Amino acid sequence: LAKTTQPISMDSYEGQEVNITCSHNNIATNDYITWYQQFPSQGPRFIIQGYKTKVTNEVASLFIPADRKSSTLSLPRVSLSDTAVYYCLVGDGWNNDMRFGAGTRLTVKP
Amino acid sequence: ETGVTQTPRHLVMGMTNKKSLKCEQHLGHNAMYWYKQSAKKPLELMFVYSLEERVENNSVPSRFSPECPNSSHLFLHLHTLQPEDSALYLCASSQGIPGWINEQYFGPGTRLTVT
Repeated sequence: LAKTTQPISMDSYEGQEVNITCSHNNIATNDYITWYQQFPSQGPRFIIQGYKTKVTNEVASLFIPADRKSSTLSLPRVSLSDTAVYYCLVGDGWNNDMRFGAGTRLTVKP
Repeated sequence: ETGVTQTPRHLVMGMTNKKSLKCEQHLGHNAMYWYKQSAKKPLELMFVYSLEERVENNSVPSRFSPECPNSSHLFLHLHTLQPEDSALYLCASSQGIPGWINEQYFGPGTRLTVT
């Protein structure tokens, strides 16, 4: 079971770029890395997924180094509405072995 | 709107009551999930169904009983709950083989309070 470690909380200001790093030292060859966002009293929402190198979509970028033992979610120019909990998950999707951790609570200030 | 609906949104029940939570997905997915989220705790995966068959039960107490009559509907039957079962119960669905490679779409959740 691949375990992930993220900072418990982060603060930022509007307009800044935010990078949240997740450690997953025992990631397996077949594992993917997935990030979700959750607002209070709502279900998580998929943000981005990757296997290696860099993935970018309209919301965020995901950077994965060659050894894949960590990954970084990058949110460009955050706004107050990006205040949420961000979860990093690792797994291959076949054995239901991916679990949500505690996540990182991001607070964006004006 | 994610295409996954849950009813009721809020539920207060006594420990001797029997109630059911309902989840419906309008996405054509074939896998559905129940999660529990307690205050200040990570999301806990409770049950997974694929093509209406249960494929995982994460050691959930028998007072929680899931039912998946078809690929679009998922129920969680509750009976003789404990106050510590008070939590946000989330339903999710995904396409294809159950797992996390396939993006999960979550419903808004049911806020359950056991008195």
